[in-house]
Amino acid sequence: KAGVTQTPRYLIKTRGQQVTLSCSPISGHRSVSWYQQTPGQGLQFLFEYFSETQRNKGNFPGRFSGRQFSNSRSEMNVSTLELGDSALYLCASSSRQGNSGANVLTFGAGSRLTVL
Amino acid sequence: AQTVTQSQPEMSVQEAETVTLSCTYDTSESDYYLFWYKQPPSRQMILVIRQEAYKQQNATENRFSVNFQKAAKSFSLKISDSQLGDAAMYFCAYRSAGTSGGYNKLIFGAGTRLAVHP
Repeated sequence: KAGVTQTPRYLIKTRGQQVTLSCSPISGHRSVSWYQQTPGQGLQFLFEYFSETQRNKGNFPGRFSGRQFSNSRSEMNVSTLELGDSALYLCASSSRQGNSGANVLTFGAGSRLTVL
Repeated sequence: AQTVTQSQPEMSVQEAETVTLSCTYDTSESDYYLFWYKQPPSRQMILVIRQEAYKQQNATENRFSVNFQKAAKSFSLKISDSQLGDAAMYFCAYRSAGTSGGYNKLIFGAGTRLAVHP
């Protein structure tokens, strides 16, 4: 079955613009999480959605937002882009609702955002 | 707050040899999950192995095994019979078993870049 699909794979924006990234989870997966990866800060949790509800949010400013649709696809939006937002944004999906060892994340290949 | 530390920024190994990557973590929780993820140059994170903290037995997946020392808060990854395809960044990750941290919030270490030499 198809994996986690993220679009676009690469994009370049300028400071002050906004960007929307899309994530299509594995078919049947209802949980989607987002992570930011930078050389300086490493991998950091952004937010998590399940059944269109945000279940948890990381320590990021309000410029970072997300949502999940009824088909489990998710989008994240970053407004008023700053140079420091340049990063690889990873999306991950999982099938399980509960918290167990079997609840494993499957990651997409990421969207590489460059802010000039 | 939980933290994960990988003290080896880079490691190298000869093909067919064995290498161990270190990971320590800090938590006040008694129940949690630990993971090793691999990120090759293609950037896609791939789960290598996982361990439930309540299980004393160390997890094993083919050539990959862990040494889980709960009291020492240590979770090292051993790769046996290393292959060229094992070259990648390896991340150790922690996830709380409680619900307060969300179900899928992983806390990652900084990563260890593994080079495999023929």
